Amino acid sequence: GAVVSQHPSWVICKSGTSVKIECRSLDFQATTMFWYRQFPKQSLMLMATSNEGSKATYEQGVEKDKFLINHASLTLSTLTVTSAHPEDSSFYICSARVALYRPQHFGDGTRLSIL
Amino acid sequence: EDKVVQSPLSLVVHEGDTVTLNCSYEVTNFRSLLWYKQEKKAPTFLFMLTSSGIEKKSGRLSSILDKKELFSILNITATQTGDSAVYLCAVEAVQKTSYDKVIFGPGTSLSVIP
Repeated sequence: GAVVSQHPSWVICKSGTSVKIECRSLDFQATTMFWYRQFPKQSLMLMATSNEGSKATYEQGVEKDKFLINHASLTLSTLTVTSAHPEDSSFYICSARVALYRPQHFGDGTRLSIL
Repeated sequence: EDKVVQSPLSLVVHEGDTVTLNCSYEVTNFRSLLWYKQEKKAPTFLFMLTSSGIEKKSGRLSSILDKKELFSILNITATQTGDSAVYLCAVEAVQKTSYDKVIFGPGTSLSVIP
C-alpha cells in the first residue's frame, strides 16, 4: 500500500519551455502533498506544501510564479516549472500523506534537464 | 533557524557490523521525526516517531526518540550489503497556518562492504 506515482521520470527540454510533473497517490487519498528539490549528493529541500483544494504554501526563496503547484484532487498534484532555464535542472520529488501523524510516501522523482 | 543535523555524514562498515546513526534537531513546534532510506530514487519510509522513549523496531532496524535532548538514533544490526543507502532524518513541525514545515537532514551515507 501507499504507492505514489510520479511522471515523467526523466525529461529533457530546451530553455524557455514549461514542464509539468504529475504526482499521483495510487491506493490512498492524500490530503497533503509535498514537492521537494534535490541537488546531487544533497538532501531534500522542501519547495511547497499543498492541501487538496487550497493554494500551495511555498517555502522561503521558492518563486510561486516559477513553480506552479496545483492540487486539484485527493490523488493528484502537479508541479509546472514555467519558462525553465538550465539552473532549474534538478531532481524533483513529490510525496503524499493521508493525514497528520501519518508518514509521507514518496514518488520515484523526476530528473529535469534543461538545455 | 530550524535545523536537522545528522552524524556521521558517511560511514563504511563490514557486513555483520552494527551501526548507529544519529539525528539531532532544533525545531519549533515539533510534531514528529521520520527516518527514510534512499537508494537510487525516492526515499522509502522506515519509522515515524512522535513519543520519547518508545522504541520502534522493524527486523534488524530500530529507532528511538528523545524529545528532551532533541535527538533520535537509528540502529541497524547485522548489516548487509543491501543496507547500503543514504539514511535521511526528517522533522515535521506545525506551522501557525496549520501547514507543515518539513526539514530534512543532510543524510548519512552508509556503505556496507562484504
